[in-house]
Amino acid sequence: ETGVTQTPRHLVMGMTNKKSLKCEQHLGHNAMYWYKQSAKKPLELMFVYNFKEQTENNSVPSRFSPECPNSSHLFLHLHTLQPEDSALYLCASSQVSGGNGGELFFGEGSRLTVL
Amino acid sequence: GESVGLHLPTLSVQEGDNSIINCAYSNSASDYFIWYKQESGKGPQFIIDIRSNMDKRQGQRVTVLLNKTVKHLSLQIAATQPGDSAVYFCAENGSSNTGKLIFGQGTTLQVKP
Repeated sequence: ETGVTQTPRHLVMGMTNKKSLKCEQHLGHNAMYWYKQSAKKPLELMFVYNFKEQTENNSVPSRFSPECPNSSHLFLHLHTLQPEDSALYLCASSQVSGGNGGELFFGEGSRLTVL
Repeated sequence: GESVGLHLPTLSVQEGDNSIINCAYSNSASDYFIWYKQESGKGPQFIIDIRSNMDKRQGQRVTVLLNKTVKHLSLQIAATQPGDSAVYFCAENGSSNTGKLIFGQGTTLQVKP
Protein backbone atom coordinates (compact mmCIF):
# COMPACT_ATOMS: atom_id res chain seq x y z
CA GLU A 1 0.00 0.00 0.00
CA THR A 2 1.77 3.14 -1.23
CA GLY A 3 -0.91 5.67 -0.38
CA VAL A 4 -1.70 6.24 -4.06
CA THR A 5 -4.79 4.48 -5.38
CA GLN A 6 -5.64 4.13 -9.06
CA THR A 7 -8.88 2.97 -10.63
CA PRO A 8 -9.69 1.07 -12.68
CA ARG A 9 -6.77 -1.36 -12.61
CA HIS A 10 -7.69 -2.66 -16.06
CA LEU A 11 -9.58 -0.96 -18.86
CA VAL A 12 -10.43 -2.09 -22.37
CA MET A 13 -11.90 0.48 -24.70
CA GLY A 14 -12.65 1.02 -28.35
CA MET A 15 -11.18 3.88 -30.31
CA THR A 16 -14.43 5.84 -30.21
CA ASN A 17 -15.07 5.45 -26.48
CA LYS A 18 -14.61 8.04 -23.76
CA LYS A 19 -13.30 6.85 -20.42
CA SER A 20 -11.44 8.26 -17.44
CA LEU A 21 -8.67 7.05 -15.17
CA LYS A 22 -8.76 8.14 -11.55
CA CYS A 23 -5.99 8.62 -9.04
CA GLU A 24 -6.23 9.52 -5.37
CA GLN A 25 -3.35 10.11 -2.97
CA HIS A 26 -3.68 9.92 0.81
CA LEU A 27 -0.21 11.26 1.60
CA GLY A 28 -0.87 14.97 1.84
CA HIS A 29 1.44 15.67 -1.09
CA ASN A 30 1.22 18.83 -3.18
CA ALA A 31 2.23 17.43 -6.58
CA MET A 32 0.74 14.71 -8.77
CA TYR A 33 1.93 13.15 -12.00
CA TRP A 34 0.81 10.94 -14.87
CA TYR A 35 3.40 8.63 -16.42
CA LYS A 36 2.96 6.25 -19.33
CA GLN A 37 4.76 2.91 -19.29
CA SER A 38 4.98 1.01 -22.58
CA ALA A 39 6.80 -2.24 -23.14
CA LYS A 40 10.55 -1.88 -23.57
CA LYS A 41 10.46 1.89 -23.02
CA PRO A 42 11.36 4.09 -20.06
CA LEU A 43 8.56 5.61 -18.06
CA GLU A 44 7.39 8.67 -19.98
CA LEU A 45 6.23 11.70 -18.08
CA MET A 46 2.89 13.02 -19.37
CA PHE A 47 1.65 15.69 -16.98
CA VAL A 48 2.69 17.38 -13.75
CA TYR A 49 0.42 19.23 -11.35
CA ASN A 50 1.75 21.34 -8.49
CA PHE A 51 -0.84 22.71 -6.08
CA LYS A 52 -3.60 21.75 -8.58
CA GLU A 53 -1.98 23.80 -11.35
CA GLN A 54 -0.61 22.07 -14.42
CA THR A 55 3.08 22.84 -14.59
CA GLU A 56 4.12 20.46 -17.31
CA ASN A 57 2.59 18.90 -20.40
CA ASN A 58 5.18 16.74 -22.06
CA SER A 59 3.84 17.15 -25.62
CA VAL A 60 0.97 14.80 -24.93
CA PRO A 61 -1.70 14.46 -27.66
CA SER A 62 -4.97 16.24 -26.91
CA ARG A 63 -6.84 12.93 -26.81
CA PHE A 64 -5.44 12.72 -23.27
CA SER A 65 -6.95 15.37 -21.03
CA PRO A 66 -5.86 15.68 -17.38
CA GLU A 67 -7.90 17.16 -14.60
CA CYS A 68 -6.79 17.97 -11.07
CA PRO A 69 -9.74 19.24 -8.98
CA ASN A 70 -7.72 19.28 -5.75
CA SER A 71 -4.32 18.23 -4.44
CA SER A 72 -5.53 14.71 -3.66
CA HIS A 73 -7.25 13.76 -6.90
CA LEU A 74 -6.06 13.46 -10.46
CA PHE A 75 -7.94 12.26 -13.51
CA LEU A 76 -6.92 11.36 -17.01
CA HIS A 77 -9.77 11.66 -19.47
CA LEU A 78 -9.41 9.54 -22.58
CA HIS A 79 -11.19 9.95 -25.91
CA THR A 80 -10.66 8.70 -29.45
CA LEU A 81 -7.54 6.83 -28.45
CA GLN A 82 -5.37 4.79 -30.80
CA PRO A 83 -4.18 1.19 -30.34
CA GLU A 84 -0.63 2.49 -29.73
CA ASP A 85 -1.95 4.23 -26.62
CA SER A 86 -2.31 0.83 -24.99
CA ALA A 87 0.02 0.91 -21.99
CA LEU A 88 0.23 1.01 -18.22
CA TYR A 89 -0.66 4.47 -16.94
CA LEU A 90 0.94 5.28 -13.64
CA CYS A 91 -0.06 8.01 -11.26
CA ALA A 92 2.42 9.35 -8.71
CA SER A 93 2.58 12.00 -6.04
CA SER A 94 5.34 13.80 -4.21
CA GLN A 95 5.97 16.67 -1.85
CA VAL A 96 7.62 19.54 -3.71
CA SER A 97 9.28 22.24 -1.65
CA GLY A 98 11.86 24.87 -2.37
CA GLY A 99 11.57 24.17 -6.08
CA ASN A 100 12.57 20.55 -5.71
CA GLY A 101 10.63 17.37 -5.33
CA GLY A 102 11.74 14.21 -3.62
CA GLU A 103 10.68 10.65 -3.96
CA LEU A 104 7.71 9.84 -6.17
CA PHE A 105 5.11 7.52 -4.69
CA PHE A 106 3.44 5.46 -7.41
CA GLY A 107 0.09 3.80 -7.65
CA GLU A 108 -0.30 0.28 -9.02
CA GLY A 109 -1.23 1.62 -12.44
CA SER A 110 -4.16 1.32 -14.82
CA ARG A 111 -3.57 -1.17 -17.61
CA LEU A 112 -5.23 0.27 -20.72
CA THR A 113 -5.96 -1.71 -23.87
CA VAL A 114 -7.32 0.13 -26.90
CA LEU A 115 -8.97 -2.07 -29.51
CA GLY B 1 19.24 16.23 -24.06
CA GLU B 2 18.15 14.68 -20.82
CA SER B 3 18.41 10.92 -20.71
CA VAL B 4 19.03 8.26 -18.20
CA GLY B 5 20.15 4.85 -19.27
CA LEU B 6 21.04 1.49 -17.89
CA HIS B 7 23.87 -0.57 -19.28
CA LEU B 8 22.19 -3.98 -19.39
CA PRO B 9 18.56 -4.83 -20.07
CA THR B 10 18.81 -8.13 -18.17
CA LEU B 11 20.98 -9.37 -15.32
CA SER B 12 20.90 -12.95 -14.14
CA VAL B 13 22.48 -13.86 -10.79
CA GLN B 14 22.60 -16.84 -8.49
CA GLU B 15 20.71 -16.64 -5.22
CA GLY B 16 23.05 -15.48 -2.50
CA ASP B 17 25.39 -13.62 -4.85
CA ASN B 18 25.73 -9.87 -4.93
CA SER B 19 24.10 -7.94 -7.78
CA ILE B 20 25.29 -4.72 -9.34
CA ILE B 21 22.99 -2.73 -11.60
CA ASN B 22 24.44 0.23 -13.45
CA CYS B 23 23.01 3.43 -14.80
CA ALA B 24 24.45 6.35 -16.77
CA TYR B 25 22.86 9.78 -16.75
CA SER B 26 23.55 12.78 -18.95
CA ASN B 27 22.18 15.84 -17.15
CA SER B 28 24.91 17.52 -15.11
CA ALA B 29 22.27 19.63 -13.38
CA SER B 30 20.68 16.60 -11.72
CA ASP B 31 21.25 16.62 -7.99
CA TYR B 32 18.88 13.90 -6.86
CA PHE B 33 18.83 10.25 -7.92
CA ILE B 34 16.57 7.36 -7.03
CA TRP B 35 16.42 3.65 -7.62
CA TYR B 36 13.02 2.03 -8.02
CA LYS B 37 11.99 -1.61 -8.11
CA GLN B 38 8.99 -2.74 -10.12
CA GLU B 39 7.55 -6.19 -9.66
CA SER B 40 5.23 -7.71 -12.21
CA GLY B 41 1.76 -6.15 -12.08
CA LYS B 42 2.76 -3.44 -9.63
CA GLY B 43 3.85 0.17 -9.71
CA PRO B 44 7.47 1.19 -9.09
CA GLN B 45 8.53 1.15 -5.45
CA PHE B 46 11.24 3.29 -3.89
CA ILE B 47 14.41 1.46 -2.92
CA ILE B 48 16.98 4.10 -2.09
CA ASP B 49 17.93 7.64 -3.06
CA ILE B 50 21.03 9.78 -3.02
CA ARG B 51 21.75 13.48 -3.37
CA SER B 52 24.67 14.84 -5.33
CA ASN B 53 26.53 15.96 -2.21
CA MET B 54 27.11 12.28 -1.40
CA ASP B 55 28.87 9.51 -3.30
CA LYS B 56 27.57 6.53 -1.36
CA ARG B 57 24.50 5.67 0.63
CA GLN B 58 23.58 2.40 2.27
CA GLY B 59 20.26 0.86 3.10
CA GLN B 60 19.22 -2.57 4.16
CA ARG B 61 21.11 -4.92 1.80
CA VAL B 62 21.32 -2.17 -0.81
CA THR B 63 23.98 0.42 -1.55
CA VAL B 64 23.84 3.22 -4.10
CA LEU B 65 27.04 4.69 -5.49
CA LEU B 66 27.19 7.97 -7.34
CA ASN B 67 30.12 9.04 -9.51
CA LYS B 68 29.42 12.57 -10.70
CA THR B 69 32.66 12.78 -12.66
CA VAL B 70 31.50 10.16 -15.14
CA LYS B 71 27.78 10.59 -14.46
CA HIS B 72 27.34 7.04 -13.28
CA LEU B 73 25.01 5.54 -10.73
CA SER B 74 24.96 1.97 -9.47
CA LEU B 75 22.79 -0.14 -7.21
CA GLN B 76 24.37 -2.97 -5.29
CA ILE B 77 22.19 -5.66 -3.75
CA ALA B 78 23.88 -7.92 -1.24
CA ALA B 79 22.98 -11.60 -0.91
CA THR B 80 20.39 -11.46 -3.68
CA GLN B 81 17.16 -13.30 -2.94
CA PRO B 82 14.39 -14.62 -5.21
CA GLY B 83 12.18 -11.79 -3.98
CA ASP B 84 14.62 -9.33 -5.52
CA SER B 85 13.59 -10.48 -9.00
CA ALA B 86 12.06 -7.42 -10.65
CA VAL B 87 12.79 -4.56 -13.04
CA TYR B 88 15.03 -1.89 -11.56
CA PHE B 89 14.92 1.72 -12.74
CA CYS B 90 17.21 4.58 -11.99
CA ALA B 91 15.82 8.10 -12.13
CA GLU B 92 17.18 11.64 -11.92
CA ASN B 93 15.53 14.97 -11.28
CA GLY B 94 17.15 16.80 -14.20
CA SER B 95 17.04 20.57 -14.24
CA SER B 96 13.34 20.87 -13.55
CA ASN B 97 11.81 22.39 -10.43
CA THR B 98 8.44 20.69 -10.85
CA GLY B 99 9.46 17.59 -8.94
CA LYS B 100 9.38 15.31 -11.97
CA LEU B 101 11.81 12.43 -12.37
CA ILE B 102 13.39 11.20 -15.59
CA PHE B 103 13.63 7.43 -15.78
CA GLY B 104 16.04 5.05 -17.44
CA GLN B 105 14.96 2.00 -19.43
CA GLY B 106 15.20 -0.52 -16.64
CA THR B 107 17.21 -3.64 -15.92
CA THR B 108 15.43 -6.93 -15.33
CA LEU B 109 17.06 -8.82 -12.48
CA GLN B 110 16.55 -12.57 -12.57
CA VAL B 111 17.57 -14.54 -9.50
CA LYS B 112 18.31 -18.21 -10.05
CA PRO B 113 17.68 -20.52 -7.09
